Amino acid sequence: NAGVTQTPKFRILKIGQSMTLQCTQDMNHNYMYWYRQDPGMGLKLIYYSVGAGITDKGEVPNGYNVSRSTTEDFPLRLELAAPSQTSVYFCASRFVGNTEAFFGQGTRLTVV
Amino acid sequence: QQQVKQSPQSLIVQKGGISIINCAYENTAFDYFPWYQQFPGKGPALLIAIRPDVSEKKEGRFTISFNKSAKQFSLHIMDSQPGDSATYFCAASGNFNKFYFGSGTKLNVKP
Repeated sequence: NAGVTQTPKFRILKIGQSMTLQCTQDMNHNYMYWYRQDPGMGLKLIYYSVGAGITDKGEVPNGYNVSRSTTEDFPLRLELAAPSQTSVYFCASRFVGNTEAFFGQGTRLTVV
Repeated sequence: QQQVKQSPQSLIVQKGGISIINCAYENTAFDYFPWYQQFPGKGPALLIAIRPDVSEKKEGRFTISFNKSAKQFSLHIMDSQPGDSATYFCAASGNFNKFYFGSGTKLNVKP
């Protein structure tokens, strides 16, 4: 059972480039989340989804977009990369009625 | 605005000692308070959680103490071991759609 899988693990982007961070889960979880983790700042919620076709903004959505066309996948899109988006990104999922969220191993993104 | 404030930022404890990490919140709508443990290069993993209807929850060497009137909760790690060295995050949620995390505490348990 793979759990929550994130790709890529590492990426360097140039300012203004675009990319998609992939997240997939094989646990049939309804809820999926994207967080960013900055040193000394904890995890900040970017976007979340309560099911296929339904997404909503979190605390820090600016500069990001998401889609949820299937239960399994929740990609995060960066359209015009900026240095402020240098961070470690975590995807998480949980099943409705269960309070525990399961996290992927993270994507370390550097924008130069 | 930080929804959940966590302290200390870092903590060094001798093997066998007690590690204590504190968190405070303002939103009285929060009704679920988990603690997550994160090892380097890994994603956070749920360690223990509490609801506000109890003042304490214990699982092995890990205990959450909860003070509803003070809007504070803390994690106590008894008999701390080098394998407990990790970053710990407290969190809070009011409807399970959104979880708000503290800033994290890096724990180093010295052998």
